[in-house]
Amino acid sequence: NAGVTQTPKFQVLKTGQSMTLQCAQDMNHNSMYWYRQDPGMGLRLIYYSASEGTTDKGEVPNGYNVSRLNKREFSLRLESAAPSQTSVYFCASSGDRGQSGELFFGEGSRLTVL
Amino acid sequence: AQSVTQLGSHVSVSEGALVLLRCNYSSSVPPYLFWYVQYPNQGLQLLLKYTSAATLVKGINGFEAEFKKSETSFHLTKPSAHMSDAAEYFCAVSALRSGTYKYIFGTGTRLKVLA
Repeated sequence: NAGVTQTPKFQVLKTGQSMTLQCAQDMNHNSMYWYRQDPGMGLRLIYYSASEGTTDKGEVPNGYNVSRLNKREFSLRLESAAPSQTSVYFCASSGDRGQSGELFFGEGSRLTVL
Repeated sequence: AQSVTQLGSHVSVSEGALVLLRCNYSSSVPPYLFWYVQYPNQGLQLLLKYTSAATLVKGINGFEAEFKKSETSFHLTKPSAHMSDAAEYFCAVSALRSGTYKYIFGTGTRLKVLA
């Protein structure tokens, strides 16, 4: 009964380093999303994937890349981390292409870029 | 374009008092509306959702929300606050963009419950 699993939960990077956040869901959902959460700004969509093999930009895609490896997995990569990318990142999934369906969230990955 | 506005980034109520968290939306088409709750160091979980079946929606933990089209509002209420309700609450609208529904979140309201 795992739902949406994100790794790692915590990470500290130096400016310019790269890393990948991993996300997997076991609910057979089509749609997957990456959000970032910053104080006072709510959740902002970075990238989403409506189905396996497709990805699209959200509100704040700059500095990020994604891969929808298969139906279960959707990874977020920071190629050259910047302090502005210090944030809490959430992966989410939805079962019916996002149409009125509930979003299921992971527990978050807290990233600090020094 | 769709948008969501949550009035009040912080709300404090006494234990046992009414909880009212405000959410207004704008949408050119009938929206799907949601309230999510986030407890410290956790992800968001669904409290309730409106999908046009009924204007008064009941959710978990005694919360409910009423969809008022004329006021473009979807306020969250609970008759009697409990200490365990202290959390951050997010209103969201499901919006159609480029052929795919995506979610737009409000900036959140942090609820504090006073003993």
